[in-house]
Amino acid sequence: GESVGLHLPTLSVQEGDNSIINCAYSNSASDYFIWYKQESGKGPQFIIDIRSNMDKRQGQRVTVLLNKTVKHLSLQIAATQPGDSAVYFCAETEALRGEGGKLIFGQGTELSVKP
Amino acid sequence: ETGVTQSPTHLIKTRGQQVTLRCSSQSGHNTVSWYQQALGQGPQFIFQYYREEENGRGNFPPRFSGLQFPNYSSELNVNALELDDSALYLCASRQDRGAAEQYFGPGTRLTVT
Repeated sequence: GESVGLHLPTLSVQEGDNSIINCAYSNSASDYFIWYKQESGKGPQFIIDIRSNMDKRQGQRVTVLLNKTVKHLSLQIAATQPGDSAVYFCAETEALRGEGGKLIFGQGTELSVKP
Repeated sequence: ETGVTQSPTHLIKTRGQQVTLRCSSQSGHNTVSWYQQALGQGPQFIFQYYREEENGRGNFPPRFSGLQFPNYSSELNVNALELDDSALYLCASRQDRGAAEQYFGPGTRLTVT
């Protein structure tokens, strides 16, 4: 759903471990989902996307899982590295309805990787 | 780098003033969206422009307005600035209104005192 509050959930992992970041989305009509990585002082950077006709998609070291039944999205990062430290946002939109430009962002999770 | 550029990088304004922020879209992209990101929160959709016309608006008052030019660059204008307008303003461009992928610029950090 939309972001609320000033305190981001945090996830701290050891370098080399796998990370799982979760997100609950709000609109059952959303058909396109994206994970963004945002480093301090920068704009969101695209990581991976998934359409609602899929339940899993893999990229390089990242996997996104979509569970439409419970409106849940997760991002898995394999072998987490210090460079993965950032805030991660999920975003949803109704792309097929032409609303692809109107992304609704989740709250964000701050990932901290310990060397 | 996404190819989306924004200017200025930082800006300080006084309450009640007006501000104009600028965005240059990625080459070949004719659709641009603007977002406001308050500290510690996710970006909030302000509006979208497609071929020089506003094409969708979020829950922002009319003092937030925009323009898109024939070369698809864009401006965000905010009148009568309020303290709560302090935020990172992001623009994102897409290849077309029907495209799903959009790419964000680095943002403009606006501080209203």
